[in-house]
Amino acid sequence: DAGVIQSPRHEVTEMGQEVTLRCKPISGHNSLFWYRQTMMRGLELLIYFNNNVPIDDSGMPEDRFSAKMPNASFSTLKIQPSEPRDSAVYFCASSLVGGVNTQYFGPGTRLTVL
Amino acid sequence: DAKTTQPTSMDCAEGRAANLPCNHSTISGNEYVYWYRQIHSQGPQYIIHGLKNNETNEMASLIITEDRKSSTLILPHATLRDTAVYYCIPGGGSQGNLIFGKGTKLSVKP
Repeated sequence: DAGVIQSPRHEVTEMGQEVTLRCKPISGHNSLFWYRQTMMRGLELLIYFNNNVPIDDSGMPEDRFSAKMPNASFSTLKIQPSEPRDSAVYFCASSLVGGVNTQYFGPGTRLTVL
Repeated sequence: DAKTTQPTSMDCAEGRAANLPCNHSTISGNEYVYWYRQIHSQGPQYIIHGLKNNETNEMASLIITEDRKSSTLILPHATLRDTAVYYCIPGGGSQGNLIFGKGTKLSVKP
């Protein structure tokens, strides 16, 4: 089992540029979560999907952030335009919806916006 | 969502048992208690969960008090690789989201 796969692992970009983070959940999992982690705010849930449908996006900081899940094996988190305060580690996690909520996290994408 | 209280940090000698407490006095009757940990520069890792009964798996044991207001995660023989931040998270039920607090930073020392 390959686990949750995220790409890229590191991203350095300049303010104003578009950034796209990618996630491939564990095969068979039908819930997908995007988290952001910073020193100041800790680990925060941004959005999660059940069966490819966004369920709760209340954690998305503002309209510059958008997430999609076009199919069960792929999701993207896009920031446009990016700002220095978006610098953080972004984690994707997947699980099976319902019952016990055991989430499996990817290795994260470290984003630096200059 | 239930609130949790965990020590900010703890130390443990290598080879000894690490006992990590968590207070979750506002937990509701149908909420589980989940424990995750995060090793430096890695994503969080699921450890164990429980509802009412004590639980044990290959990683740890979970002791939940009868009134369910607190729990203790036990790593029976801590190793240096167990150095991490440990999160106690009540809930994570039908909504599917986990709310991570600040956790306990466990340092295992030789």
